[in-house]
Amino acid sequence: RKEVEQDPGPFNVPEGATVAFNCTYSNSASQSFFWYRQDCRKEPKLLMSVYSSGNEDGRFTAQLNRASQYISLLIRDSKLSDSATYLCVVNEYGNKLVFGAGTILRVKS
Amino acid sequence: EPEVTQTPSHQVTQMGQEVILRCVPISNHLYFYWYRQILGQKVEFLVSFYNNEISEKSEIFDDQFSVERPDGSNFTLKIRSTKLEDSAMYFCASSEPAGGPLVFGPGTRLTVL
Repeated sequence: RKEVEQDPGPFNVPEGATVAFNCTYSNSASQSFFWYRQDCRKEPKLLMSVYSSGNEDGRFTAQLNRASQYISLLIRDSKLSDSATYLCVVNEYGNKLVFGAGTILRVKS
Repeated sequence: EPEVTQTPSHQVTQMGQEVILRCVPISNHLYFYWYRQILGQKVEFLVSFYNNEISEKSEIFDDQFSVERPDGSNFTLKIRSTKLEDSAMYFCASSEPAGGPLVFGPGTRLTVL
């Protein structure tokens, strides 16, 4: 089983749509969780950390379900500029952060 | 906003040559990392570094690879004898607490011919 699994997509959505991504992780002892965004041939950039209580930042909402070992990201009112690859990142132990393969989002006008 | 910098942005080398990739992490960060991303594939962990020592490393990080913090600001990745399959984007990252979140540099694209 892969350490961090994501649906690769692509998710093709119109502007204004709501879209949700899920990510599952295999190590139940994982400590911290993040969503990153990566534009083509660029470095990953932190979108948000994910907390057990769930957290929201503007149009973005992240949820963590430790019992089921999955993390979700909800994007409301999608913009063209949201088109990117969304990376689920899990800190399994110590200083090792493991990346999922990413989910491609394409927002179209 | 503080940022991680990397040099060079693109390095072309012949198979079997040694390369050194350079990074300047954010100044108050204590944890340093190297990741790589082969074109079209996922971001893969190579090594983490704390207190002048390697703290974690992956199976990819074999004897051909080494890391060093030669002074108070630079963090380097050396590949001793490059192979074709080492061609990838190499990202340096740093974090203040252990376990992230990581701030990434813009990457060095390594092409091995």
